[in-house]
Amino acid sequence: DAGVIQSPRHEVTEMGQEVTLRCKPISGHDYLFWYRQTMMRGLELLIYFNNNVPIDDSGMPEDRFSAKMPNASFSTLKIQPSEPRDSAVYFCASSFSGATGELFFGEGSRLTVL
Amino acid sequence: AQSVTQPDIHITVSEGASLELRCNYSYGATPYLFWYVQSPGQGLQLLLKYFSGDTLVQGIKGFEAEFKRSQSSFNLRKPSVHWSDAAEYFCAVGPGRGAQKLVFGQGTRLTINP
Repeated sequence: DAGVIQSPRHEVTEMGQEVTLRCKPISGHDYLFWYRQTMMRGLELLIYFNNNVPIDDSGMPEDRFSAKMPNASFSTLKIQPSEPRDSAVYFCASSFSGATGELFFGEGSRLTVL
Repeated sequence: AQSVTQPDIHITVSEGASLELRCNYSYGATPYLFWYVQSPGQGLQLLLKYFSGDTLVQGIKGFEAEFKRSQSSFNLRKPSVHWSDAAEYFCAVGPGRGAQKLVFGQGTRLTINP
């Protein structure tokens, strides 16, 4: 079975540009999470969805960040406009409600904002 | 509020030596506890989990962890490490069955000396 698929794996952009990160969760999973990982702050939960509905977006840094899940097989995390401090690895993870805490992570999208 | 502390940022052990990674949690009720591993350039993978019952739990790759309520700890152990165990290890706590939102520790980076 395919795991969680993220794209792009690497993105280099200039400050002020719009960035869109994409995620395809594992089929049948009803939870989807977006995490950000940096050396300074570690692994931070940005937002998570249950059955395509955002449940908790308290970790979203500011209004420049937005996330959507239009259907069960696709989610996006958008940053507009991007800033150098947004440089990080962004992970998408999915899980099934019947398996508490068992998150399956994608390989991450490494974002560099110049 | 839940929190997880991993006191050791970086640990180096020799191949074949035993390993113990420390994790302390703060949570009012009985927590759901997890250890995840992140190999370089990869997403996190679940090693093992504790919900209830036997306080010594076995995981994949020969790892085990012991829940000690009196010490609020959930330390990860392995009797003999292999070079392939070099990775970053994350302890995490969840609020209960069915709840998927985890709080992760800062991680411990494990280096293996040949």
